[in-house]
Amino acid sequence: NAGVTQTPKFRVLKTGQSMTLLCAQDMNHEYMYWYRQDPGMGLRLIHYSVGEGTTAKGEVPDGYNVSRLKKQNFLLGLESAAPSQTSVYFCASSYTPVRGMVTEAFFGQGTRLTVV
Amino acid sequence: AQSVTQPDIHITVSEGASLELRCNYSYGATPYLFWYVQSPGQGLQLLLKYFSGDTLVQGIKGFEAEFKRSQSSFNLRKPSVHWSDAAEYFCAVGGNRGSTLGRLYFGRGTQLTVWP
Repeated sequence: NAGVTQTPKFRVLKTGQSMTLLCAQDMNHEYMYWYRQDPGMGLRLIHYSVGEGTTAKGEVPDGYNVSRLKKQNFLLGLESAAPSQTSVYFCASSYTPVRGMVTEAFFGQGTRLTVV
Repeated sequence: AQSVTQPDIHITVSEGASLELRCNYSYGATPYLFWYVQSPGQGLQLLLKYFSGDTLVQGIKGFEAEFKRSQSSFNLRKPSVHWSDAAEYFCAVGGNRGSTLGRLYFGRGTQLTVWP
């Protein structure tokens, strides 16, 4: 059982380049999330999705776009990378065992992105 | 607004000593509460969670946490720390209603160093 898988694990981009981070989960979870982690800042929510075809903004959405065309995949795009987007990105998923309740999040191993 | 405060950025303890990591939250209703641990270069692993019921919850690796509504706290404890517990610890509150449903709000983390 792979859980939550992120690709790639490492990437270096030049300022202005674009890229897409892929997150795949095999647990049939409804909810998926993209976080960024920066030293001393904890994890901050970029975008999230409560189901296939739906997305919503989190705390720090600027400069990022997302898509959830399939339930198991959640893509994070950077259209024009900036040095401020240098960070570690985590994908996570969770589910609703009963209506109105969402479980803990299950995390991927992270993608370390450097923008030079 | 929902928020989580971890007052201690860095804690150092000796192996075998007891440990308490503090967490205070702000949330308008009874929250879902979580503690995660992150080892260097790894994703986040769930230690324990509180949804309802008994306010003292047991987790993995010998950790426990106590929910105190009157103090808006969810402190993590371990009676005897092992060198392998050195890691970063994150407290999180999960939204359980309306637009916050499914969202996790993280504290900034507490880095634990264990002296042999």
